Amino acid sequence: AQTVTQSQPEMSVQEAETVTLSCTYDTSESDYYLFWYKQPPSRQMILVIRQEAYKQQNATENRFSVNFQKAAKSFSLKISDSQLGDAAMYFCAYTGSNFGNEKLTFGTGTRLTIIP
Amino acid sequence: SQTIHQWPATLVQPVGSPLSLECTVEGTSNPNLYWYRQAAGRGLQLLFYSVGIGQISSEVPQNLSASRPQDRQFILSSKKLLLSDSGFYLCAWSRGVSYEQYFGPGTRLTVT
Repeated sequence: AQTVTQSQPEMSVQEAETVTLSCTYDTSESDYYLFWYKQPPSRQMILVIRQEAYKQQNATENRFSVNFQKAAKSFSLKISDSQLGDAAMYFCAYTGSNFGNEKLTFGTGTRLTIIP
Repeated sequence: SQTIHQWPATLVQPVGSPLSLECTVEGTSNPNLYWYRQAAGRGLQLLFYSVGIGQISSEVPQNLSASRPQDRQFILSSKKLLLSDSGFYLCAWSRGVSYEQYFGPGTRLTVT
């Protein structure tokens, strides 16, 4: 079974600085997809970024980028120029590519605090 | 564009009362649908998912059930609520295998 591990329950960063959130996963599949979700105080889950395992290029969405290391099974999220609105819980998630595997496996989350 | 709705947004129910939470998706057809529960400050627990009308997969044996009476409607129910059913319930949809899930705004349920 696939597992997703987020080893940092809490992180903090000064406003305008850069922070990296860690995520590791375990799978025997060769083709899969990884995601980062943000959950602000409103508690709605918002998709931040998506990475396909077959792509070597790291995904980027504005200030958000990932460092995807397939061999190490690592998928970290870098937030540049941190803003107060980035304060949230961040969840890493995994899904496979085979029919019959329609679920996301989530990590336990990292709470990010932005220090003004 | 696609949108997902959940209601009610907040619900306070006594122990032993029934429950019905509704989720609908607009702007897509034959979506995969999901129900999650989240305790305060915790991760997401997948409760049920559906890949089509009348097709429900249960992840956790419990006091809850789910139904999908229409293509874009997903209902979470209980005949008798327990205190342990309190939590934040999220509905989500996706286009299928390998696709990201999009979440609704959630329902905060308090069982008293």
